Amino acid sequence: AQSVAQPEDQVNVAEGNPLTVKCTYSVSGNPYLFWYVQYPNRGLQFLLKYITGDNLVKGSYGFEAEFNKSQTSFHLKKPSALVSDSALYFCAVRDRGSSGTYKYIFGTGTRLKVLA
Amino acid sequence: EAQVTQNPRYLITVTGKKLTVTCSQNMNHEYMSWYRQDPGLGLRQIYYSMNVEVTDKGDVPEGYKVSRKEKRNFPLILESPSPNQTSLYFCASSLNLQGAYTDTQYFGPGTRLTVL
Repeated sequence: AQSVAQPEDQVNVAEGNPLTVKCTYSVSGNPYLFWYVQYPNRGLQFLLKYITGDNLVKGSYGFEAEFNKSQTSFHLKKPSALVSDSALYFCAVRDRGSSGTYKYIFGTGTRLKVLA
Repeated sequence: EAQVTQNPRYLITVTGKKLTVTCSQNMNHEYMSWYRQDPGLGLRQIYYSMNVEVTDKGDVPEGYKVSRKEKRNFPLILESPSPNQTSLYFCASSLNLQGAYTDTQYFGPGTRLTVL
């Protein structure tokens, strides 16, 4: 079965500095990887995904993620953090279910705190 | 407005009293899913549905039931709730065009359930 790991419970970064939120994965076959963001008291919102193609994926709100097959990582990045980026971030991978169906495995989440 | 709605948003109940959390989407999505979010455990998939009358277990299905009689609705049923089902629940949906999964899930606002 597939799995994802988010090794950091919390990441603190100063406003204007670059940010990285880490995600590593374990899959059999080609990975389908995702990042979602959850703002306080809200549902999750899709940020970006990697299915195939370029290793650098660009997403919403200026975020991007780099797929690294050799390191089995899919880290989320942003060149210049904003206070409004403070939220809970989830990495996810698509997994095969029974009879050709698909299900999703989410990480435990990383809380990003951007300090003014 | 394209959205996933859940009702109720907050619910406090007692052990053993059957309850249903409704989920509805207006985007004509085939794929629908239920997740629970718990501190330190991230999101875990309870059940998912590829289309009408097609449902499958996620990673934590015990104590839950679902049905998919209509494309837009995917209710979550707890026949005999227990305190360990106290959690934040999210419904999500995504488009599946002739088997080509777009994989971008749209999440509802969440239902906070407390079982006493």
